[in-house]
Amino acid sequence: QKEVEQDPGPLSVPEGAIVSLNCTYSNSAFQYFMWYRQYSRKGPELLMYTYSSGNKEDGRFTAQVDKSSKYISLFIRDSQPSDSATYLCAMSDINDYKLSFGAGTTVTVRA
Amino acid sequence: NAGVTQTPKFQVLKTGQSMTLQCAQDMNHEYMSWYRQDPGMGLRLIHYSVGAGITDQGEVPNGYNVSRSTTEDFPLRLLSAAPSQTSVYFCASSRDSDISGNTIYFGEGSWLTVV
Repeated sequence: QKEVEQDPGPLSVPEGAIVSLNCTYSNSAFQYFMWYRQYSRKGPELLMYTYSSGNKEDGRFTAQVDKSSKYISLFIRDSQPSDSATYLCAMSDINDYKLSFGAGTTVTVRA
Repeated sequence: NAGVTQTPKFQVLKTGQSMTLQCAQDMNHEYMSWYRQDPGMGLRLIHYSVGAGITDQGEVPNGYNVSRSTTEDFPLRLLSAAPSQTSVYFCASSRDSDISGNTIYFGEGSWLTVV
């Protein structure tokens, strides 16, 4: 079993819809949770970063962490065609900087 | 600023050949790392370095070698290429190994095919 599970999709939504992405994990020591966005043929770029449990909002993006359920989510409101990308979750524990990544979910927002 | 620069972008190798993927960063970052990305597997850590002269193994180090003689450069060497090393390779860097609020910057990737 992988340490981080993420449904690869693909996910296709109309413009303006809410995109919901999630990951589950098995390592209860994880404390730092991140979401990366990766455009085709490009490197990942950091989108959201959360420490421990709770919610974080940045513009149209909301990240949620539920450590009791070992479950993290990313919501994209009012999705745009420019949001079409692969979204990767990543996490690490407080003593180990090495990141564990999910497989990534490919999202297409249709105009 | 160029950020993290990887070369080459694309490479085809024959089984048994050796080659070096170059990585350079101009942000004076201490922490550098190499990942490989395969379909359905996410990114997996190959090797990392917390500073010049210091390297360590990640999750999938076999068949790869690294060195860190300068802060700026972190080359990845494939010693004897195998088809299983066909992948996309990403170099990454960050200010240091303190992950709290510390952004990791990725290069644009190197596509490697071993035939």
